[in-house]
Amino acid sequence: GAGVSQSPSNKVTEKGKDVELRCDPISGHTALYWYRQRLGQGLEFLIYFQGNSAPDKSGLPSDRFSAERTGESVSTLTIQRTQQEDSAVYLCASSLVAINQPQHFGDGTRLSIL
Amino acid sequence: KQEVTQIPAALSVPEGENLVLNCSFTDSAIYNLQWFRQDPGKGLTSLLLIQSSQREQTSGRLNASLDKSSGRSTLYIAASQPGDSATYLCAVESRYSTLTFGKGTMLLVSP
Repeated sequence: GAGVSQSPSNKVTEKGKDVELRCDPISGHTALYWYRQRLGQGLEFLIYFQGNSAPDKSGLPSDRFSAERTGESVSTLTIQRTQQEDSAVYLCASSLVAINQPQHFGDGTRLSIL
Repeated sequence: KQEVTQIPAALSVPEGENLVLNCSFTDSAIYNLQWFRQDPGKGLTSLLLIQSSQREQTSGRLNASLDKSSGRSTLYIAASQPGDSATYLCAVESRYSTLTFGKGTMLLVSP
């Protein structure tokens, strides 16, 4: 597709379950980012990937959060043992390279933890 | 730690007015400043990117300025339209972090 694609668009799950969120970046974009947007808060950076370099995980809030990316393609964000405070919109973005390029965002996954 | 503040938090104007959204940041060692819009239930759309060496960027009815030394940027929207209604987000990219976002300005343009 032409833009960043995220799935699922909505996810409702029970507290304690694991969830996996998927992001398909724009073809040819070497950098991929995950952000979290909680109600009433600004976007929080979680993690970014640049090519084959080690990812920058400095924004991950706890060890329950992890992400993977294979090459320059799909990425998955996994949240283990979900808590109610994990409820948020998770946004993925990609850019040609990691610095000084506009980031293109998907529509996000709205995650609700019951 | 970089902090980004946007004022006002919300703004309501009648159609046709010119308006200014403000953004300030605490650490002037930035690569660039970016403005985005976000429509309800959607992701962000990139509007303008100003490199640290630039003073302003223009796209259609939008003009963004950057004063790096004072840590300020403004987004000017000319002749506002109802379709401009959205949340506008400012973000800065620096050597030590990827984008740091403000909380946004929610704009409502009424017909």
